[in-house]
Amino acid sequence: KAGVTQTPRYLIKTRGQQVTLSCSPISGHRSVSWYQQTPGQGLQFLFEYFSETQRNKGNFPGRFSGRQFSNSRSEMNVSTLELGDSALYLCASSFLPMKTGWMGGYTFGSGTRLTVV
Amino acid sequence: KNEVEQSPQNLTAQEGEFITINCSYSVGISALHWLQQHPGGGIVSLFMLSSGKKKHGRLIATINIQEKHSSLHITASHPRDSAVYICAVVGGNDMRFGAGTRLTVKP
Repeated sequence: KAGVTQTPRYLIKTRGQQVTLSCSPISGHRSVSWYQQTPGQGLQFLFEYFSETQRNKGNFPGRFSGRQFSNSRSEMNVSTLELGDSALYLCASSFLPMKTGWMGGYTFGSGTRLTVV
Repeated sequence: KNEVEQSPQNLTAQEGEFITINCSYSVGISALHWLQQHPGGGIVSLFMLSSGKKKHGRLIATINIQEKHSSLHITASHPRDSAVYICAVVGGNDMRFGAGTRLTVKP
């Protein structure tokens, strides 16, 4: 079966612009979580969506937002980009959200590498 | 102090050696992941544990809930095992990550 698909793979944006990243989960998975990875901070949790509702959010400013559609595809948006937003953005899908104690596994996408200049 | 600590940060081994990577955490968790990340960024989930031990091929993961500690072992290491290994804990509402262990296996 198809894996988790993230688009685009690479993106270059200018400070002050906004960006939208997309994540298509594995068929049947209804939970999508997003992560930011930088050399300085490592991997950090951004937010999780399940059944079109945000279930929880990490410690990021309001410039970072997301949504999930009825087909479980998710998008994240970053407004007013800053140089420090340059990172690899990863999403992962699972059948159920984290709070349920789901042990059936998570599948990660290959990520979108965002460079802000 | 980070909530998820991994050791060592970097590890170089000769092909065939037995490898151990450690993870200690200070928060309550419902599950612990071991993740593998190759150059280029993609992450693969190797194991998800809530207790005991799991084995997959040459990889073994153990967790001690009372001691809040997990280990990832690689038996008969191979150059293709070279990657960054990341410990992640699920604490109910989010996932928190260790800084990763960069493993290089030399032929």
